[in-house]
Amino acid sequence: EAGVVQSPRYKIIEKKQPVAFWCNPISGHNTLYWYLQNLGQGPELLIRYENEEAVDDSQLPKDRFSAERLKGVDSTLKIQPAELGDSAVYLCASSPAGTGGEQFFGPGTRLTVL
Amino acid sequence: DAKTTQPTSMDCAEGRAANLPCNHSTISGNEYVYWYRQIHSQGPQYIIHGLKNNETNEMASLIITEDRKSSTLILPHATLRDTAVYYCIVRVWGSGNTPLVFGKGTRLSVIA
Repeated sequence: EAGVVQSPRYKIIEKKQPVAFWCNPISGHNTLYWYLQNLGQGPELLIRYENEEAVDDSQLPKDRFSAERLKGVDSTLKIQPAELGDSAVYLCASSPAGTGGEQFFGPGTRLTVL
Repeated sequence: DAKTTQPTSMDCAEGRAANLPCNHSTISGNEYVYWYRQIHSQGPQYIIHGLKNNETNEMASLIITEDRKSSTLILPHATLRDTAVYYCIVRVWGSGNTPLVFGKGTRLSVIA
C-alpha cells in the first residue's frame, strides 16, 4: 500500500513569489493534516481536514496561506506571497476516521525562500 | 505547548539497549503516551503508545510509571538505523483525530 505522497520534495523560490505543495493521503483516510516544521523544532499543526471540511485552521496564517481539499482526497497548500521566514519543511499526514489512532506522515516538502 | 519534557540528546552503542526517558507530570487520566520518531529527511513515524500498562511491539517497549508522570521508551538492540529524533507526546484517546503536539524531542545517536 502506498504511503502519503507529497510533491515536490524540494522547492527553492525567491521572496514574494507564490508556491504550492501537494499531498495525496493514504487511500480511505478521512483526516488530513498539514504541519510546519522549522529547523530543530518538532512539527506544528497548520490545518486539519475531516473529509473536505477544514475543522482546525486556527494556526494557519490566513493572510498569505491557503489550503484546499476539494473532493476530500488530495490537498494543496499554497503560500502567496512567500517570505524569508517561510523557509521550513511542510509535512502532510493522514489518519483513518475514528478515535485518534496513528498518523501517517509523508516525507515533506523542504521550502527555501531566498 | 508540548506537555512533555525530554533530554535534548543521547548516545547509545550499537547493539545495546537505548532507554529514552520522558516526563509528563501533568498528564490527565484520559491521555495516552505516544512515541514517534523522525529519521533525517523523513516524516515522523509512529512507534508505540500506552495508557498505564507497559506495552511492547516489534519496534520497542514502553514502560510507564505507576503514577503515570513519566515513561521510558526502550529500543532493546539499537542499530545505526535507529539514529533519529524521538518524540514523546501525550494525547487524549477517543476525542477524534486531534493533531499531535510535538516538543523538540530527543536526538538519539547510535554509535558503531
